[in-house]
Amino acid sequence: TQLLEQSPQFLSIQEGENLTVYCNSSSVFSSLQWYRQEPGEGPVLLVTVVTGGEVKKLKRLTFQFGDARKDSSLHITAAQPGDTGLYLCAALDRGSTLGRLYFGRGTQLTVWP
Amino acid sequence: DAGVTQSPTHLIKTRGQQVTLRCSPKSGHDTVSWYQQALGQGPQFIFQYYEEEERQRGNFPDRFSGHQFPNYSSELNVNALLLGDSALYLCASTRRTERMKKLFFGSGTQLSVL
Repeated sequence: TQLLEQSPQFLSIQEGENLTVYCNSSSVFSSLQWYRQEPGEGPVLLVTVVTGGEVKKLKRLTFQFGDARKDSSLHITAAQPGDTGLYLCAALDRGSTLGRLYFGRGTQLTVWP
Repeated sequence: DAGVTQSPTHLIKTRGQQVTLRCSPKSGHDTVSWYQQALGQGPQFIFQYYEEEERQRGNFPDRFSGHQFPNYSSELNVNALLLGDSALYLCASTRRTERMKKLFFGSGTQLSVL
């Protein structure tokens, strides 16, 4: 069983559209991280959310941490082809002082010009 | 300032062979983790090294072993390769004293087992 469930698994949209991807779990986390991974590259950290209800913005990307700290969402406004990639959510293992991550399967986003 | 570097970028092996993958962490980082990413999946934690010792291990068999050197670089060894070991192997580094863990990943080694 997957600790973090991401949906949708695939998303294909036109440039300019808005989209939301979700990361859900039955477990409570001290923090969640979002990464973007492009083909042939490793994941790159976009944001860390820590406080329940927290909202963070990164240009056209808005990240939200659920009030109960069990889920998170990523909203992209006016998507661009450069946003294409695999979006991964990850939770830090509370018992690990060295930064062990549990990843979801990811949402593969394709934005067409 | 170089980020995390991994070598080789691609590797083709046959079943039963052994493979060694290498990783140099980002400057200033002392902790190295290895992840396996199968096609269509998120990365899965293999193990983690700090002060030249394995500190934490995921659900991977003993065929997977590693090492960390005094300069913080690391190797991942896989013995008796299986077809199912085909995946992208990612190395990530961080600094143990950093409170909000920021992991920096390398571009990975794509391993194909035929």
